[in-house]
Amino acid sequence: EAQVTQNPRYLITVTGKKLTVTCSQNMNHEYMSWYRQDPGLGLRQIYYSMNVEVTDKGDVPEGYKVSRKEKRNFPLILESPSPNQTSLYFCASSLSKGLGVIGYTFGSGTRLTVV
Amino acid sequence: LAKTTQPISMDSYEGQEVNITCSHNNIATNDYITWYQQFPSQGPRFIIQGYKTKVTNEVASLFIPADRKSSTLSLPRVSLSDTAVYYCLVGDLLNNAGNMLTFGGGTRLMVKP
Repeated sequence: EAQVTQNPRYLITVTGKKLTVTCSQNMNHEYMSWYRQDPGLGLRQIYYSMNVEVTDKGDVPEGYKVSRKEKRNFPLILESPSPNQTSLYFCASSLSKGLGVIGYTFGSGTRLTVV
Repeated sequence: LAKTTQPISMDSYEGQEVNITCSHNNIATNDYITWYQQFPSQGPRFIIQGYKTKVTNEVASLFIPADRKSSTLSLPRVSLSDTAVYYCLVGDLLNNAGNMLTFGGGTRLMVKP
């Protein structure tokens, strides 16, 4: 089944403890992206990657890192999480950087709480 | 991406047809219109996409007038399971910069029994 898989689905952590949220897609998509969703703010893009070893900042990159060593994986790294990074995170992938014929495929989300 | 404006919320009843309109006055020549659906705690799901006139699939119809400054997502005979947030996005199909797909607040549709 074609899908984007995120792990974990839920995570509670403490301020300053490094964490990684994994994202993997099995559709051979070139484009991958991370979003955070907060009440009243819609989805805001954190980072995106147009291909292996190519990453760039989105609208809200502060406090986050990403890497794209393989086409299928695009982990989101929080080196020193803070409470304002408590949010619902989504990974998405697409065949190309544009909207694409069928748009983006999103993962199921990771609900992160930083205390 | 072109800026879009949608109603914040809408209510409907089961079996009714629901039309959600999105305004995009500064849509560009190469822009397409795409609608997503999002259920609570799930990622957005592609519903339908179009450029002009009318597009229909098994889920919805999309009506786009000649001036393309607005579009209407039509959901026929909604059920309780159609309760979700619906997002309208406008952008170039192939040539967007990578930092795209910024979702606005969307339209929260509540379907009542």
